[in-house]
Amino acid sequence: GESVGLHLPTLSVQEGDNSIINCAYSNSASDYFIWYKQESGKGPQFIIDIRSNMDKRQGQRVTVLLNKTVKHLSLQIAATQPGDSAVYFCAEKMDSSYKLIFGSGTRLLVRP
Amino acid sequence: DTAVSQTPKYLVTQMGNDKSIKCEQNLGHDTMYWYKQDSKKFLKIMFSYNNKELIINETVPNRFSPKSPDKAHLNLHINSLELGDSAVYFCASSQGPTTDTQYFGPGTRLTVL
Repeated sequence: GESVGLHLPTLSVQEGDNSIINCAYSNSASDYFIWYKQESGKGPQFIIDIRSNMDKRQGQRVTVLLNKTVKHLSLQIAATQPGDSAVYFCAEKMDSSYKLIFGSGTRLLVRP
Repeated sequence: DTAVSQTPKYLVTQMGNDKSIKCEQNLGHDTMYWYKQDSKKFLKIMFSYNNKELIINETVPNRFSPKSPDKAHLNLHINSLELGDSAVYFCASSQGPTTDTQYFGPGTRLTVL
């Protein structure tokens, strides 16, 4: 069946350190992967995405890495700030499907 | 300006009641979605409409009925509410049905007593 999962349900980091949030996906046919950030009481907010023909994509302070060999996706946040505290979701999609399949989420806590 | 908006933000009701949640997007998108987020934060697609036509209809009780009067609006009506319907319901939209990025509304927290 379809599933996207995360290894760590909660990640605690010191402010200023780099954070790495991991995600394992099971559908090797997925063409597209996306990371969302969900702050308390709000809806998921787009952070960064990557297509399956790439292995790395960088944004502002964030980098997504895709390893299709082991079906692994990671989100790296540089110089983590208190405002980065949230639940982070990875999601996957096939181009032939309308559905975005979400993982179970990782809570990131930033210690001051 | 809010891109995807939902009303109400909070909804508390008794078991057996019928309620509706409304969603509007001003992004000019063709496709809209309803997701349910449970207490463990798991997000699951329920329905999707593209240009007022139903394209995703997941295995949800038929007490849930989406309605799209136009492509900017997607409402969710729930009949005979049950305790297990308590969750946060999110509306989302995307440019098209295969367009990757979906934009989410702020959510509606439904509590069934």
